[in-house]
Amino acid sequence: DTEVTQTPKHLVMGMTNKKSLKCEQHMGHRAMYWYKQKAKKPPELMFVYSYEKLSINESVPSRFSPECPNSSLLNLHLHALQPEDSALYLCASSQVDGRVYNEQFFGPGTRLTVL
Amino acid sequence: AQSVSQHNHHVILSEAASLELGCNYSYGGTVNLFWYVQYPGQHLQLLLKYFSGDPLVKGIKGFEAEFIKSKFSFNLRKPSVQWSDTAEYFCAVIPVSGGYNKLIFGAGTRLAVHP
Repeated sequence: DTEVTQTPKHLVMGMTNKKSLKCEQHMGHRAMYWYKQKAKKPPELMFVYSYEKLSINESVPSRFSPECPNSSLLNLHLHALQPEDSALYLCASSQVDGRVYNEQFFGPGTRLTVL
Repeated sequence: AQSVSQHNHHVILSEAASLELGCNYSYGGTVNLFWYVQYPGQHLQLLLKYFSGDPLVKGIKGFEAEFIKSKFSFNLRKPSVQWSDTAEYFCAVIPVSGGYNKLIFGAGTRLAVHP
């Protein structure tokens, strides 16, 4: 299985809502990532988990809260978002060999719209 | 700071034309190099990668890329494009040293192939 799955595919939420995005992989990868992608732009890294521990937070606002319950799952909890947070949210995973992070496999993304 | 430059933001070709997309990176040390493709409405897929060895690497769907270390370049080529190659192409680099290695994306090249 070389797939990263993400749910939901689409999400519309108000600025006061709380919602969560979910990501799952069964490739035995020990690094998992959240990216944000705006239209016609490259993905922007948000968070990295390595061996289920948060290793990178790219100065993301606290209204985004990541969680890695186990080595296969990655969540992104959303609360009090702003309309400018509307974007495609991508999850990715990769092998880790020592300090070298190999190619990342991306999920299809969750298209988020904040009203 | 490390960066990746893709010289062409928009490329328009006719079917059967040859393709070359430029990619240069700025980092003096060892890097792993990637080309990702994003077809309309689909997720990012790995086209090819270079870690070490033969600098001419072949990927999926007839694509190849050549790593020229002295020029810090990793250009993508295809001898004859098809309409189905219409997509956004991202060059990406991971420095292989010095702590966590963030995947650095170029701005992307939007390729449109006309029948």
